[in-house]
Amino acid sequence: KAGVTQTPRYLIKTRGQQVTLSCSPISGHRSVSWYQQTPGQGLQFLFEYFSETQRNKGNFPGRFSGRQFSNSRSEMNVSTLELGDSALYLCASSLYRDAGMNTEAFFGQGTRLTVV
Amino acid sequence: AQTVTQSQPEMSVQEAETVTLSCTYDTSESDYYLFWYKQPPSRQMILVIRQEAYKQQNATENRFSVNFQKAAKSFSLKISDSQLGDAAMYFCAVFQAGTALIFGKGTTLSVSS
Repeated sequence: KAGVTQTPRYLIKTRGQQVTLSCSPISGHRSVSWYQQTPGQGLQFLFEYFSETQRNKGNFPGRFSGRQFSNSRSEMNVSTLELGDSALYLCASSLYRDAGMNTEAFFGQGTRLTVV
Repeated sequence: AQTVTQSQPEMSVQEAETVTLSCTYDTSESDYYLFWYKQPPSRQMILVIRQEAYKQQNATENRFSVNFQKAAKSFSLKISDSQLGDAAMYFCAVFQAGTALIFGKGTTLSVSS
């Protein structure tokens, strides 16, 4: 069974540009969550999607957005990139929405975004 | 709001020895779940162990066990018979329904032979 796949693995962008990251969950999983990991702030929750609907959102500016497709694949977009957006972006999938209640959250290997 | 505190940024242990990683948390709910995740240099977050708050019995998974003190809101991870492959960053996390996994800042564990 394939795991959570995040593409691309590495990305270098210029300040002011926009970027789209992709996450393919484990087959059958319908919940996808996104996290930003930085050395200073640690892991911070961005948003969660379930059945194509955003169910939960973290405390990030509107430049961060996402969506989920009918096949449960998810994308997140960051517009007008800032140097502080440089981070590892992790995606996690789970079978049901309330990951942790009855099911485990499986993480991808992340996308390392560098903004220069 | 939920918070998770890991007071040990770095820990070290010798092979075959035992090490305990500390975690305290704060949540207003009575029903929640606690987790320890491991992140090796490959960056893949791997679930090590989970604990349901309503269960009094401490969870164990092979060499990994927890000491869950609900009243004190403490959730420490004990690694017995440490192995070189245990070297990683360890994150404590709490989850309650309707929210997301909230992580601590992590503890970097090094294992020496």
